[in-house]
Amino acid sequence: NAGVTQTPKFQVLKTGQSMTLQCAQDMNHNSMYWYRQDPGMGLRLIYYSASEGTTDKGEVPNGYNVSRLNKREFSLRLESAAPSQTSVYFCASRDASRAEQFFGPGTRLTVL
Amino acid sequence: GENVEQHPSTLSVQEGDSAVIKCTYSDSASNYFPWYKQELGKRPQLIIDIRSNVGEKKDQRIAVTLNKTAKHFSLHITETQPEDSAVYFCAAIEDIIQGAQKLVFGQGTRLTINP
Repeated sequence: NAGVTQTPKFQVLKTGQSMTLQCAQDMNHNSMYWYRQDPGMGLRLIYYSASEGTTDKGEVPNGYNVSRLNKREFSLRLESAAPSQTSVYFCASRDASRAEQFFGPGTRLTVL
Repeated sequence: GENVEQHPSTLSVQEGDSAVIKCTYSDSASNYFPWYKQELGKRPQLIIDIRSNVGEKKDQRIAVTLNKTAKHFSLHITETQPEDSAVYFCAAIEDIIQGAQKLVFGQGTRLTINP
């Protein structure tokens, strides 16, 4: 099992450009999550999906959209990137029968 | 909503000594408190967790204590080793929506073990 995978690993964008961060899990987990990690601020929840076909806002959703394409995949889209969105983005998933969230390797995004 | 405060932000200890990291939470309804370890450039990984019906939980050199009355919980690492150097995050559940956890994380503690 690959667990949780994310693409790309690194990305540099110019202000106003758009991009989609991809996340996939092969553990048959129901819920999936997108976090951003900034120095001194821990991990903050952007969006989450309790199950296929459902998504909901987390703590910091502004400037982002998500799609739960199927049970395996959960993508995060930046429509018009801003320097404030420079961060490391982590995707995570969780099985309903266990408390642990499993994280992907992260995407380091820089917006110039 | 839930708010989690974590202290200290950095901690340096001698190899073999103990390290303690403390967190406070605001929502008395929170009932699950995980701790994640993140090594440099790596993903966060769960190292231990505790539920609100338990006061303490141990796993080898790692232990977590919970004081529900005071709304704080702590991570204790004994006999520290160089591989314990990492950033540690505490978290608390803000809500569970249709089976999805909404975790609120603390700001993180960078632990350095000095040989």
